[in-house]
Amino acid sequence: GEDVEQSLFLSVREGDSSVINCTYTDSSSTYLYWYKQEPGAGLQLLTYIFSNMDMKQDQRLTVLLNKKDKHLSLRIADTQTGDSAIYFCAEIGNYGGATNKLIFGTGTLLAVQP
Amino acid sequence: ETGVTQTPRHLVMGMTNKKSLKCEQHLGHNAMYWYKQSAKKPLELMFVYSLEERVENNSVPSRFSPECPNSSHLFLHLHTLQPEDSALYLCASSQAAGQPQHFGDGTRLSIL
Repeated sequence: GEDVEQSLFLSVREGDSSVINCTYTDSSSTYLYWYKQEPGAGLQLLTYIFSNMDMKQDQRLTVLLNKKDKHLSLRIADTQTGDSAIYFCAEIGNYGGATNKLIFGTGTLLAVQP
Repeated sequence: ETGVTQTPRHLVMGMTNKKSLKCEQHLGHNAMYWYKQSAKKPLELMFVYSLEERVENNSVPSRFSPECPNSSHLFLHLHTLQPEDSALYLCASSQAAGQPQHFGDGTRLSIL
């Protein structure tokens, strides 16, 4: 079945690193995504990683992919108060004949303390 | 500015009303999507259009009726909605189905 799991809440201090974790189900996923949602806004595509990669770095963001364990993580270096938001992990799945369906986790609320 | 614009941002309607949500994308994408986001539930994919043809209807009640007149515009027509339909409705687009999706800011819908 389709299932993307994330922890619900993470609290860090400003300047620290944040690590948000995600586990997924479909081993055939081609892309895995991280989205950010600020209050009252839609989802902003932060970064994505192709399934044949282990790591992708984009400025303060580092994505790690462990395909064996079906584990995806997002590390935010030097976390700022503006990083406070809900972060969604998502995979492209192929479930029950419905191709290219984006499966989202329930989101992790990141709270950054000044 | 994400390149995907949704109107209205907020909508309050009674259960007997008829209204429409509009989505417009300025990214030259060929696929568009409607999602429903309710509190404490994962994002639910409702409809997918690729090259103006509906390719997915995710068991959505018939009181929601999508329309995609061209690759830049997507509508969601609403009629006789229920209180449990109150949610944030998000539109997204991508270059093609399966490519990274770009979201609008959503329409916050409240059913009285």
